[in-house]
Amino acid sequence: DTEVTQTPKHLVMGMTNKKSLKCEQHMGHRAMYWYKQKAKKPPELMFVYSYEKLSINESVPSRFSPECPNSSLLNLHLHALQPEDSALYLCASSLRQMSHSGNTIYFGEGSWLTVV
Amino acid sequence: AQSVTQLDSHVSVSEGTPVLLRCNYSSSYSPSLFWYVQHPNKGLQLLLKYTSAATLVKGINGFEAEFKKSETSFHLTKPSAHMSDAAEYFCVVSGEDSSYKLIFGSGTRLLVRP
Repeated sequence: DTEVTQTPKHLVMGMTNKKSLKCEQHMGHRAMYWYKQKAKKPPELMFVYSYEKLSINESVPSRFSPECPNSSLLNLHLHALQPEDSALYLCASSLRQMSHSGNTIYFGEGSWLTVV
Repeated sequence: AQSVTQLDSHVSVSEGTPVLLRCNYSSSYSPSLFWYVQHPNKGLQLLLKYTSAATLVKGINGFEAEFKKSETSFHLTKPSAHMSDAAEYFCVVSGEDSSYKLIFGSGTRLLVRP
């Protein structure tokens, strides 16, 4: 089983709303990732969690707030977003943080976010 | 620094004909290389990966890729295209220099004509 589950699949929110994206995996992976993908572009790394601790923040604006409550769950809290934040948000996981050759990252189906 | 270049932004083939998606990489280290596929409105699915074992790597759905160090290439092929292969394909590199990032190519859109 190489499944990463993301909810919701679609989210529309206003610029003053607070919402969250959720991600879950049960593969025993200890690294989890958030990526942002705009239309017709490759994914861009946002955050990396390793053993439930934030390992990497790719200079993401503070209106995006990640959280890793346990080794299976990863959340992305959203507040005061801008229309340009509309994108596909992909969660991913791997056995370890991507510093080992061959360490494969498995992606979820993504959450489509529209900010109005 | 590692980089990856997908040489074609779009490739169009007829159903039943061979598929070739080209990828060149740059890496100072022995790289790990991946191909991911993304169908419309879907997430990324791993097709195959190279990790310094056999240079010809077989993946899912009849795809395979050959690692050629002398040419710094990792082209993706399939003998016979199916309509369901229409998607975006990403070539990805990750090195052994403790880099935490996957380096994505810009993607190749595969169109399959009936």
